[in-house]
Amino acid sequence: LAKTTQPISMDSYEGQEVNITCSHNNIATNDYITWYQQFPSQGPRFIIQGYKTKVTNEVASLFIPADRKSSTLSLPRVSLSDTAVYYCLVGDISGGGADGLTFGKGTHLIIQP
Amino acid sequence: EAGVTQFPSHSVIEKGQTVTLRCDPISGHDNLYWYRRVMGKEIKFLLHFVKESKQDESGMPNNRFLAERTGGTYSTLKVQPAELEDSGVYFCASSQLAGAYNEQFFGPGTRLTVL
Repeated sequence: LAKTTQPISMDSYEGQEVNITCSHNNIATNDYITWYQQFPSQGPRFIIQGYKTKVTNEVASLFIPADRKSSTLSLPRVSLSDTAVYYCLVGDISGGGADGLTFGKGTHLIIQP
Repeated sequence: EAGVTQFPSHSVIEKGQTVTLRCDPISGHDNLYWYRRVMGKEIKFLLHFVKESKQDESGMPNNRFLAERTGGTYSTLKVQPAELEDSGVYFCASSQLAGAYNEQFFGPGTRLTVL
């Protein structure tokens, strides 16, 4: 499984754009990049997934360069409610991949007023 | 549509006692996963059901843990006898598509404290 490295913590202010970068140097050809968000006392929540280039949804954008060795989760105009732990995960989405998700330590994002 | 639910939300037991955690997945989701986070550690995979069959239980820590999913609906995770190191948060997740890296829907977790 591809190992991921991301910042342990970050802080920002309301209204700012926040970018969290994840390194995954040994990503495999069939691997996708997935981000989960976890609020205190809740389970992780899937927020975005991509394979290459750029993916955007109502929550975030995910930028993946051509070599796919890193990815950047972008949260536009954050609010206090975006304070959470963000996990970058890399793995094969086909049924032949790992049977469970491999979580790292995640990035603790703190948004201040 | 109801999400994944877990019961109880908290459980405090003494070492040596038995505890059973329950997970109700999203209706129609054949895939059900158990994970746990023990103090200060990362969330770790325990096992994966496809319907009522155990697809992979490589993450189960030892034979004090028993998971079942009779009928392919809800699942239970029993810890017997509980030890101090079993304290942590136990998460259940379900998904419609096979493949762990497809979207999984997590429950709120059960916080287990073993005294």
